[in-house]
Amino acid sequence: EADIYQTPRYLVIGTGKKITLECSQTMGHDKMYWYQQDPGMELHLIHYSYGVNSTEKGDLSSESTVSRIRTEHFPLTLESARPSHTSQYLCASSESAGVNTFGSGTRLTVV
Amino acid sequence: KNQVEQSPQSLIILEGKNCTLQCNYTVSPFSNLRWYKQDTGRGPVSLTIMTFSENTKSNGRYTATLDADTKQSSLHITASQLSDSASYICVVSDRGSTLGRLYFGRGTQLTVWP
Repeated sequence: EADIYQTPRYLVIGTGKKITLECSQTMGHDKMYWYQQDPGMELHLIHYSYGVNSTEKGDLSSESTVSRIRTEHFPLTLESARPSHTSQYLCASSESAGVNTFGSGTRLTVV
Repeated sequence: KNQVEQSPQSLIILEGKNCTLQCNYTVSPFSNLRWYKQDTGRGPVSLTIMTFSENTKSNGRYTATLDADTKQSSLHITASQLSDSASYICVVSDRGSTLGRLYFGRGTQLTVWP
């Protein structure tokens, strides 16, 4: 059982609302990641972090922001949700040279 | 350009049959290759990871092969079960950065029918 947790699993929200997707891991991993995945498509890296107070943007441009105040916590925030943000968001963590462990994902729908 | 291509895009097989999924990549410099299983609406779960020097790795009924010369990998599933229905994703990591950049394929959608 993966020790990385994402909440909520599903979220339907109106345009313009602010949302925060939660991600926590109990493995003490320094590296954490956020991926975006549309149905039938590959995962795209949108944010990553090497450790506390370290955050970087990934390959896919995203209007979301992240923070890393604690090792175990890596939340993603959208200040003003739009229908184009509808997607699945996957959080992951890894040791220095290890396999990414993924959370179960948050399916976001913006109406 | 670093890319990971998987084939077929989708596959339907009968329960109990074997199947093989393919992955071709152009990622360089190569670090490792991983196969993940992703159930619908869930996050990917790692099946195998192989480095440059490894040719074969098994995990139960899953056997992955790697040919680093031709930059090809395959995932063989033996005696398929209904629970094998999922998307199988090939992921290649480079060693050109401290991040260990991951390149994802689009996955092969496998459906196992009774």
